[in-house]
Amino acid sequence: QKEVEQNSGPLSVPEGAIASLNCTYSDRGSQSFFWYRQYSGKSPELIMSIYSNGDKEDGRFTAQLNKASQYVSLLIRDSQPSDSATYLCAVLISGGYNKLIFGAGTRLAVHP
Amino acid sequence: EADIYQTPRYLVIGTGKKITLECSQTMGHDKMYWYQQDPGMELHLIHYSYGVNSTEKGDLSSESTVSRIRTEHFPLTLESARPSHTSQYLCASSEAYPPRNEQFFGPGTRLTVL
Repeated sequence: QKEVEQNSGPLSVPEGAIASLNCTYSDRGSQSFFWYRQYSGKSPELIMSIYSNGDKEDGRFTAQLNKASQYVSLLIRDSQPSDSATYLCAVLISGGYNKLIFGAGTRLAVHP
Repeated sequence: EADIYQTPRYLVIGTGKKITLECSQTMGHDKMYWYQQDPGMELHLIHYSYGVNSTEKGDLSSESTVSRIRTEHFPLTLESARPSHTSQYLCASSEAYPPRNEQFFGPGTRLTVL
């Protein structure tokens, strides 16, 4: 089992819809969770961080965390074609040197 | 403006050449990282550093080496480049203490070894 798992997609949604991206992780002690957006050929860009159970909203983005279920998600409201990218879930594993483990990413395609 | 810089952005080089990929940050961060990523594939941590004179190998075995003589500078060196080294190399930095271990990435260096 991978430490951070994401559905590779592609997830295809129409413009204006809500895109829901999911991520599960294996380390129960993890406390910090991040979502990155990566356009093709570019470097990852941090879009959301979440540390407590519940929802965290920032503009059209909402991150949701459920530590009991070891599950973190990202909702994108009013999806735009410019949101088409790969979304990487990253989890800071506990202990050691605080390593950030990245999932393989979910490719999102927003079509007009 | 606080940022992370990588040079060169693109490099095409012949087999056997020695190369150094530069990474500098003005974020004031202690931790720095090097990742390798092939197109459409996962990020793999190849080196990291907690601070000056601190370097460690990451999860993915790499023939590259790194140094950290100054807080803001974390160069990666390949002594003898091979076609298998063709990839994108991404540098990142973060604050030292959790939970706010948000990593910020530079623009990357796309390396092609012929």
